[in-house]
Amino acid sequence: GESVGLHLPTLSVQEGDNSIINCAYSNSASDYFIWYKQESGKGPQFIIDIRSNMDKRQGQRVTVLLNKTVKHLSLQIAATQPGDSAVYFCAEVAGNNRKLIWGLGTSLAVNP
Amino acid sequence: NAGVTQTPKFRVLKTGQSMTLLCAQDMNHEYMYWYRQDPGMGLRLIHYSVGEGTTAKGEVPDGYNVSRLKKQNFLLGLESAAPSQTSVYFCASSYWEGRGAEAFFGQGTRLTVV
Repeated sequence: GESVGLHLPTLSVQEGDNSIINCAYSNSASDYFIWYKQESGKGPQFIIDIRSNMDKRQGQRVTVLLNKTVKHLSLQIAATQPGDSAVYFCAEVAGNNRKLIWGLGTSLAVNP
Repeated sequence: NAGVTQTPKFRVLKTGQSMTLLCAQDMNHEYMYWYRQDPGMGLRLIHYSVGEGTTAKGEVPDGYNVSRLKKQNFLLGLESAAPSQTSVYFCASSYWEGRGAEAFFGQGTRLTVV
């Protein structure tokens, strides 16, 4: 039969604006979080990570914020560029087996 | 440095046929994973391996088998393909603990079962 997929949340921004992509994680025991970027037709690519003993981490044009109280993670992209158009996934790591637990993803569309 | 390489990149199977997807990594990673990704959905873990000679089930293991005979290779097998297995399959590998948990992904294998 035909599978029915969920529609990804979509964020549309103007080139040059800042983007904020949000993620709610599920496990209060998760102690490590990662953001991935997946461009069309490619595999996910690591962007930035953060451990639970931090609440903010900055990379090149990207910042990840972690709020453990409400189990919320966000990815901020400064001066968004057309090349940032992709699906962004957050992932959490917990437990002794250290497996990644993936979120559904957010599609970012950058308008020129 | 090739990273993670998957073969084949595309494949069409008839229902009931079998096939093996090959994943090779040259980063000396201990952990390797097979995921499937369906339209509009995130990645779902099929099987994974924490080292040579070990395998474990993920969240959607039914209909798939895996083997990790060599550290650098992780094979995913479909014994009797079904249309529900039409998907894009991604292999990944990673270090764990102390060396960063970020996973490196292959380019994907697009499988269609008719």
